[in-house]
This record gives sequence, structure tokens and C-alpha cells, in this order.
Amino acid sequence: DSGVTQTPKHLITATGQRVTLRCSPRSGDLSVYWYQQSLDQGLQFLIQYYNGEERAKGNILERFSAQQFPDLHSELNLSSLELGDSALYFCASSTHPDGNTEAFFGQGTRLTVV
Amino acid sequence: LAKTTQPISMDSYEGQEVNITCSHNNIATNDYITWYQQFPSQGPRFIIQGYKTKVTNEVASLFIPADRKSSTLSLPRVSLSDTAVYYCLVGGGTNAGKSTFGDGTTLTVKP
Repeated sequence: DSGVTQTPKHLITATGQRVTLRCSPRSGDLSVYWYQQSLDQGLQFLIQYYNGEERAKGNILERFSAQQFPDLHSELNLSSLELGDSALYFCASSTHPDGNTEAFFGQGTRLTVV
Repeated sequence: LAKTTQPISMDSYEGQEVNITCSHNNIATNDYITWYQQFPSQGPRFIIQGYKTKVTNEVASLFIPADRKSSTLSLPRVSLSDTAVYYCLVGGGTNAGKSTFGDGTTLTVKP
């Protein structure tokens, strides 16, 4: 158990819909990362937050957005969903904002868009 | 951002030592090299991290030559449970969040 909790574990929704994925980082971790893993593209970095502020942005679509709340949990919002958005979405957390510390990954949310 | 290149797959037998090499020719001065292990439908798990020379922990060793353009993850005496995908990740510092996962190496350990 990494200490990072993601909910829900599975999500099935229709094209055009909007969903919210939730991540609770390890206790004490201020940095949260979101990744997308699909069969044909591997692990893609989406976005990072540190202590409530956006820290780095990767290949995140404009239809996607995220935020980190004062209690440090984070949510990833995916809207106008397309079939190609079907993937595993991972959240990771770490103590520091840079990559020089170990990141702990959650078990992921499997999103299926039908 | 440094791009990484790893072998797509490797096979080994139980009890053998496995070495997986990752190339990262464009590594930046403040980049670290981190290796993760991932089992199917699970999140990646940290194995080891280094900046230069050699790092060893209870599960693996990481060898980094002086030019840092490559790194080698060494797994001693693998077992069937080490069958997984291994990712080399280069980044950190100010580019931390943009650290790039490569395609990974699928290691299959046979009995």
C-alpha cells in the first residue's frame, strides 16, 4: 500500500460526459502528480500541483483540468469525454516539489468511455 | 527534456542477475535518474534513484557512468515475482513534473 488513495477504481461513462477523479496523497506529501496510461501511449504526465498551486503542466488536454484543495487532496476533471480518453489515470504524491524524491503512486482509476 | 531509450523486453531465469540499460543522451545537469517497477493494472513503484556513480539499496543497484548518458539497473537473483515492466525516468529539479516515462522494459522471469 503506497498510502495514495484514488477513487473511484473503475468508471464507465458515455462520450460527451464529464467525470471527476479524486486523489488523496500520502500523509504529509504536498506534491501531487497526475498521469494517464493508455495502451498505445504509455505513461503520460498530465499535471503537477504543489501545496495548492500548479507546479508543472505536461500533455494535458484543454478538456481536462485539475486542482489541489487546502486539505491537499486533488481532483482531475475530464470533460467532453471521447473514446480515446479511455485509460488508466494515476495519481502520485511526493514530499517535495522536484523530482529528486521518491513518488508514490496510487492504484489508479480505470476510465472507460463508451 | 531528456528522452529515454530502453530495450522493449528481456527474458531471464530465476536466480540470475538482470541488467537493464537505459540511454538518456540529453540528460540535463540537474536531472536525476529514477527507476520504477510496474505490475499490470497497478501504479508504478519506486525502485531506486541516483545522480551519478553507483547507488545500492536492498532490492537493486544503479550504475551511472561519468558522462551520465546511460544508466543500468541491476536486479540480483531475480524471482518469478520480478516479472514486470521497468521504467527509467529522467528528470527532476525544475523540470520535475515533466519527467518523462519511456516505453519501459518488460522483464519476464522464467522458472
